[in-house]
Amino acid sequence: GQNIDQPTEMTATEGAIVQINCTYQTSGFNGLFWYQQHAGEAPTFLSYNVLDGLEEKGRFSSFLSRSKGYSYLLLKELQMKDSASYLCAVRAPANQAGTALIFGKGTTLSVSS
Amino acid sequence: GAVVSQHPSRVICKSGTSVKIECRSLDFQATTMFWYRQFPKQSLMLMATSNEGSKATYEQGVEKDKFLINHASLTLSTLTVTSAHPEDSSFYICSANPRVVFNGYTFGSGTRLTVV
Repeated sequence: GQNIDQPTEMTATEGAIVQINCTYQTSGFNGLFWYQQHAGEAPTFLSYNVLDGLEEKGRFSSFLSRSKGYSYLLLKELQMKDSASYLCAVRAPANQAGTALIFGKGTTLSVSS
Repeated sequence: GAVVSQHPSRVICKSGTSVKIECRSLDFQATTMFWYRQFPKQSLMLMATSNEGSKATYEQGVEKDKFLINHASLTLSTLTVTSAHPEDSSFYICSANPRVVFNGYTFGSGTRLTVV
C-alpha cells in the first residue's frame, strides 16, 4: 500500500525560510516529486529526487533520505506569491512513463507580510 | 514544450447527463495518461491510468462504467462522466509523463465539473 504524510497547514512570514516535511511508506520507490498548486489551478513541478541528498533550484531545495522514507521541501526568501498548496508525490518502480504519481494530502502554506 | 491541453475548463451539467473531458498532449506522444480527481481542499486522488489502444486501469473504488476512459490515439485521452450526480462535482485533472524527467509529469489545466 501507499501512505504519504505531510502537515496540513503551515504559516510563515515574508523573507523567512520554511521547511515542509514529507514521510512516505510505499510498496516500491522510483522517485519523489514536489509540486506547487494554487487554488483552482493545475500543479506545477518544483523538484524531483531519486537519490539521497539535496537538490537545489533557486529559492527551492528538496532533500531525500530513502532509508528513512523522508523528504523535505525548503523554501527560502519567502514571498507572498508562495502562498499555495505543496504536494509531495511518490512514483512506484516499473515503466516510468506508465506509472502514476501518488500524492500526499498536501500542505497549505500561508505567507504573511 | 511538454504541454497537456485539457478541455473544457469548466462545465455545469444537469443531474443524469453525461460530460466528456478531453486531454491532449500537444508536443509529445503519450502512450499513457493519468486521470485524477480533487475535491475542495483535498489532494489529487488517482482515478485511472489510460493506455493508448487498450483498456484503462482503474483504481480501487472507481466505477469503470461510470467513468469511461478512451485513449484512441497517442495524443488524446477522454474521460466521460456518465449519468452525473451532484456528488461527482469535483476538479478533474489529467497528467502525462513526457519522459523529460527534470520537467516532471505535466498536468492539464483541469476541469471544474458542477452537477446541478
